[in-house]
Amino acid sequence: DQQVKQNSPSLSVQEGRISILNCDYTNSMFDYFLWYKKYPAEGPTFLISISSIKDKNEDGRFTVFLNKSAKHLSLHIVPSQPGDSAVYFCAAVDSNYQLIWGAGTKLIIKP
Amino acid sequence: ETGVTQSPTHLIKTRGQQVTLRCSSQSGHNTVSWYQQALGQGPQFIFQYYREEENGRGNFPPRFSGLQFPNYSSELNVNALELDDSALYLCASSSSASAYNEQFFGPGTRLTVL
Repeated sequence: DQQVKQNSPSLSVQEGRISILNCDYTNSMFDYFLWYKKYPAEGPTFLISISSIKDKNEDGRFTVFLNKSAKHLSLHIVPSQPGDSAVYFCAAVDSNYQLIWGAGTKLIIKP
Repeated sequence: ETGVTQSPTHLIKTRGQQVTLRCSSQSGHNTVSWYQQALGQGPQFIFQYYREEENGRGNFPPRFSGLQFPNYSSELNVNALELDDSALYLCASSSSASAYNEQFFGPGTRLTVL
């Protein structure tokens, strides 16, 4: 059973517009969430994180929102740039202090 | 500062064989985690090594085993390879065993089992 779900395998956004990537989770005990970005032939790189005691965390063009009641988080990228084209993974820290990952969303930024 | 490196880049094996994958951690990091990423899926946690001891394991059978050396580099060994073991194997190093710490990933080893 997938505890972290990214239901959109891909997303296409015009350069300069907002990209919104979504992630749902099933385990209410998750208390920390991370987003990683992955380019082809490279390992994932950390992007931004959020603790369950917050509902928003911002870092430059990237903002993560957490809705605990809906067990949903989203990553907003504003404005989207061509270099943002990558696969984005949502991950949660479980009770064993291990990362549980979603399947990823491929973001394509169109010029 | 040298990043995380993995070798080999690609590997082809046949069912029943054994394979060893290698990972050099980033300078100053004492923790290495291994992940399996099947096609179209996210990484799945295999196990973690902290200061040469296994420190947590995911839902993988005992034929997946590992080592961490005094310089904190690590090996992943898989015995009796099965077709489903075909995947990208990622290693990540971090400065502590906590999952709350940022993990730095290598580019991965692509294993194909025929």
